[in-house]
Amino acid sequence: DIQMTQSPASLSASLGETVTIECLASEDIYSNLAWYQQKPGKSPQLLIYDASSLQDGVPSRFSGSESGTQYSLEINSLQSEDAATYFCQQHHDYPPTFGSGTKLEIK
Amino acid sequence: EVQLVESGGGLVQPGRSLKLSCAASGFTFSDYYMAWVRQAPTKGLEWVASISYDGGSTYYRDSVKGRFTISRDNAKSSLYLQMDSLRSEDTATYYCTTGITTGGDYFDYWGQGVMVTVSS
Repeated sequence: DIQMTQSPASLSASLGETVTIECLASEDIYSNLAWYQQKPGKSPQLLIYDASSLQDGVPSRFSGSESGTQYSLEINSLQSEDAATYFCQQHHDYPPTFGSGTKLEIK
Repeated sequence: EVQLVESGGGLVQPGRSLKLSCAASGFTFSDYYMAWVRQAPTKGLEWVASISYDGGSTYYRDSVKGRFTISRDNAKSSLYLQMDSLRSEDTATYYCTTGITTGGDYFDYWGQGVMVTVSS
């Protein structure tokens, strides 16, 4: 199985700041990487797929990038509603595997 | 509006069975792969199983192979997960999702989830 190593486990940032969350794949996943946002008590929501394609309806302050097997989610101009846990997931091969999650707190 | 509504969860003893259902609406059900993803309490996300458009292909994580069966009824726009020989480690919220397949799947719509608790 492809392992996804996500970091950091948690972070705290202020309104208006920019944060970056990273995921390292254990092998080449050819840009087949998705990002999800999950708010407490809610279902996950797809933010980004294919490493950098924004899902319909997702604000443009969310963006995804890649460098080799390292994938990043950047959130610009943090808003209070961005407080959530974020997960990466490879969709290159079965079984689809998720990162362990990053809990984002807004100061 | 896409809606996925799960049902069938509950408390069940180890070794017993449970069948989850998911009623889909707001999209052409037969145009989508479908999948179940679960989340143990306070834990991360874990893919469980996927099924192709017509049900001809199914995929399972190793820990549920031989115990769980994913199926669909396109005429009823419904997805199912038959769970047999349940174990305590199957305790989780189970989400019904639409899948976009690219080798593996990613999941663009999610239901609200249904809780399954396996305990004596």
